[in-house]
Amino acid sequence: RKEVEQDPGPFNVPEGATVAFNCTYSNSASQSFFWYRQDCRKEPKLLMSVYSSGNEDGRFTAQLNRASQYISLLIRDSKLSDSATYLCVVRSGGSYIPTFGRGTSLIVHP
Amino acid sequence: EPEVTQTPSHQVTQMGQEVILRCVPISNHLYFYWYRQILGQKVEFLVSFYNNEISEKSEIFDDQFSVERPDGSNFTLKIRSTKLEDSAMYFCASSWVGVNYNEQFFGPGTRLTVL
Repeated sequence: RKEVEQDPGPFNVPEGATVAFNCTYSNSASQSFFWYRQDCRKEPKLLMSVYSSGNEDGRFTAQLNRASQYISLLIRDSKLSDSATYLCVVRSGGSYIPTFGRGTSLIVHP
Repeated sequence: EPEVTQTPSHQVTQMGQEVILRCVPISNHLYFYWYRQILGQKVEFLVSFYNNEISEKSEIFDDQFSVERPDGSNFTLKIRSTKLEDSAMYFCASSWVGVNYNEQFFGPGTRLTVL
C-alpha cells in the first residue's frame, strides 16, 4: 500500500464551483499534515497546514480524520487561478522526512 | 520578499559525469533540504542539513550524492557519477526551524538531464 495516496484527477470544474480532495495515509504514527500547491513545472508552495481541529483560510478548508487516516481539502468558489496540482504531505513523529503524495490535478474552466 | 534561488535552471550532462547543483537559501534560515521530482512523479525527499551536517537522508541519497555548505550563503548538491535515472527536477528548500516543521520555502528547481 502506498504511504500517501491521492486521486490524480484531473478534477475539471467551472468557476465558482466547490471541489474537495482527499488524501489517505498508511502510517498511523503520522503527526504532521500539509497541503501544497504546485503549478506546472514549478516548485511546490505551502498552501496550508492541517490541524486536528480542522482549519480554514479564506476559501480553503482542511480537515484531518485520524481514525480513517485521511486529510481533505475543500475549495469554495473556485477561481481560474486555482488550477494547479495539490500535493498532500505527511510527516511521521520523530523524523523530519516528509512523504509527498503524487498530487491531484485541478482544472478550473470559465 | 526573500526567496530561495537555484542555479543553473537547466543542466545537461553525459552519463558518468559529475554535476553540482547550487542553491542560495533564504539568508536567516537554518535548515536546508534537497528534493527531487522525476517528471510525472511525486516529490521525493533526499536530505536535510543543519549546523553543517546532514540531519536526515532518504534511501535515495546514496554514496553518489553529497551536500555541502561551502560558505555562508551557498548550499550545494553533488552527484558524483550521474546515471540516466538521475534525470529529474531538483528542488532546494530552506526553513527557519526543522523538526517542528516551520514552513519550507522551495527554490524554482534545477532540471537535470542526463544523456
